[in-house]
Amino acid sequence: GAGVSQSPRYKVAKRGQDVALRCDPISGHVSLFWYQQALGQGPEFLTYFQNEAQLDKSGLPSDRFFAERPEGSVSTLKIQRTQQEDSAVYLCASSLWGGTGRPEQYFGPGTRLTVT
Amino acid sequence: GESVGLHLPTLSVQEGDNSIINCAYSNSASDYFIWYKQESGKGPQFIIDIRSNMDKRQGQRVTVLLNKTVKHLSLQIAATQPGDSAVYFCAERGQNFVFGPGTRLSVLP
Repeated sequence: GAGVSQSPRYKVAKRGQDVALRCDPISGHVSLFWYQQALGQGPEFLTYFQNEAQLDKSGLPSDRFFAERPEGSVSTLKIQRTQQEDSAVYLCASSLWGGTGRPEQYFGPGTRLTVT
Repeated sequence: GESVGLHLPTLSVQEGDNSIINCAYSNSASDYFIWYKQESGKGPQFIIDIRSNMDKRQGQRVTVLLNKTVKHLSLQIAATQPGDSAVYFCAERGQNFVFGPGTRLSVLP
């Protein structure tokens, strides 16, 4: 079946522009996660949704970052007034279980954001 | 695709040998520990997980060992194959998911 998909795969933005990154999780998956991965490092947690509820946004680096999942399926990560330090790969993952269920997550291929 | 982990620690093993990748974790309250494999240009791929109340779990060609006393996690890959070449991350689930820095596994022919 279809895995997690993300679009666009690559995005180049000029400093100060707003960007929107889309994630299509596996159908029926309850949980959705966003991560930021800098080159040469492990993914860093940004935010977590269980269905449409954003239960944890403690990893969002600033108020320029905003995520939503209005119908409990597709999610969008928006970054306003992009800065060079926002350049990274943004990964989305979904999981069948919520809360304290199994932690098995399925990752999308990521969106590589380059801010010039 | 883009390269992941340009300056990561590298483990080089001969094809057919066993590989052991180590990881230290920080949160003694984490309830699950997970290993992921990431190939260049792709997202991490789930390999195996282990609950905090276990010390060993086996999968297909992989074994994860958990030592809570020293907060250490290891991934053993039996009969390493060229397709195992990738960056490997451990992760722990506490308040949220925290990933380790990663290790690049290079399989030599």
